[in-house]
Amino acid sequence: KNQVEQSPQSLIILEGKNCTLQCNYTVSPFSNLRWYKQDTGRGPVSLTIMTFSENTKSNGRYTATLDADTKQSSLHITASQLSDSASYICVVSAGAAGNKLTFGGGTRVLVKP
Amino acid sequence: NAGVTQTPKFQVLKTGQSMTLQCAQDMNHNSMYWYRQDPGMGLRLIYYSASEGTTDKGEVPNGYNVSRLNKREFSLRLESAAPSQTSVYFCASRGGTASSYNSPLHFGNGTRLTVT
Repeated sequence: KNQVEQSPQSLIILEGKNCTLQCNYTVSPFSNLRWYKQDTGRGPVSLTIMTFSENTKSNGRYTATLDADTKQSSLHITASQLSDSASYICVVSAGAAGNKLTFGGGTRVLVKP
Repeated sequence: NAGVTQTPKFQVLKTGQSMTLQCAQDMNHNSMYWYRQDPGMGLRLIYYSASEGTTDKGEVPNGYNVSRLNKREFSLRLESAAPSQTSVYFCASRGGTASSYNSPLHFGNGTRLTVT
């Protein structure tokens, strides 16, 4: 069964600090991995996508990494801001067409001033 | 751009009542999806429509029906609501062709449904 596990479930960080979120998956055949940000009361919004051949990708202060061998991804937030307070969801696509999605339960991040 | 629009934003139903959740997208996307999100769980697929005129069951379809009214609109119906259907419901869309499965899902802002 395809599964995506995220850790930690939640974390609190001080404004300006860095943090790293983890995503482990058992999805086959792997197509791509995407990180979404979900603000409270809103729908998820895509941050970045990682394909099999990519090790790292940045989107502003967000940097995602992928280790396809160990089936792990991380999302690093640099110099956190209050607006980074949100849930971050890891979604792995499977299948030749990449149309079978498995969602992680998310990590809730709270940035405090 | 409106993107994906869901109505209503909030709804309270009594057990056994019926209702339809509406969803419309203005991005000319082929594929549309309905998910539910419960605390501590990942988003779970209820139904999807790969293209106008087709619908398929997802992971948790029981108790729901859908209609792909046209390319823009995809509705979700609860015929006889149960407390277990208390959840936040999200509609999403994306391009839908084989070449666009690397494209992201675009989500609406959800409908918060409580069944008492």
